[in-house]
Amino acid sequence: AQSVTQPDIHITVSEGASLELRCNYSYGATPYLFWYVQSPGQGLQLLLKYFSGDTLVQGIKGFEAEFKRSQSSFNLRKPSVHWSDAAEYFCAVAKGTGGFKTIFGAGTRLFVKA
Amino acid sequence: EAGVVQSPRYKIIEKKQPVAFWCNPISGHNTLYWYRQNLGQGPELLIRYENEEAVDDSQLPKDRFSAERLKGVDSTLKIQPAELGDSAVYLCASSLGQGFADTQYFGPGTRLTVL
Repeated sequence: AQSVTQPDIHITVSEGASLELRCNYSYGATPYLFWYVQSPGQGLQLLLKYFSGDTLVQGIKGFEAEFKRSQSSFNLRKPSVHWSDAAEYFCAVAKGTGGFKTIFGAGTRLFVKA
Repeated sequence: EAGVVQSPRYKIIEKKQPVAFWCNPISGHNTLYWYRQNLGQGPELLIRYENEEAVDDSQLPKDRFSAERLKGVDSTLKIQPAELGDSAVYLCASSLGQGFADTQYFGPGTRLTVL
């Protein structure tokens, strides 16, 4: 069965420091991978997605993610965190052909300290 | 451009009572999704519509949940009767199409508390 694991329930990072959020997936075929961010009281917003090609994907708000097939990982990174990045981050994998279903991880809550 | 609109934002009800949530997707978006997000979890798909047709409702508890998307625009999700375990955030999302390349845009959700 397809699944997404985010090993860290929460992470605290100092403002200006670098960030890496981990995501591991289990899927038998070529995965379609996503990272979403959810701020308090807001809906989810797509940060970036990977379908094929270059394994380093650039997204919005200065985020990037790297797909590593050998490690079944799709980690999210940002070189310098801002206080406004504090939110919940969800990794997701899409399965199916034609109409697809998105499977979300449990999320990682990011705290940013001054 | 207006985003996905959901109402109400919050709802508190007693168990066994009915409840309904409303969603208005982004104009022109043919695909509409309802998700449930339990506390500390990611969203889980309940039902997906292509225009007015429900094309994936495999995760919808059909004994108590129902949904409709008349005229292929806005949608209503209903629970009758509600149970304590239904307390969650119900998210609506929409996309232009149903392919991998079609970005899903999420509404702010309705937070349901069942007492």
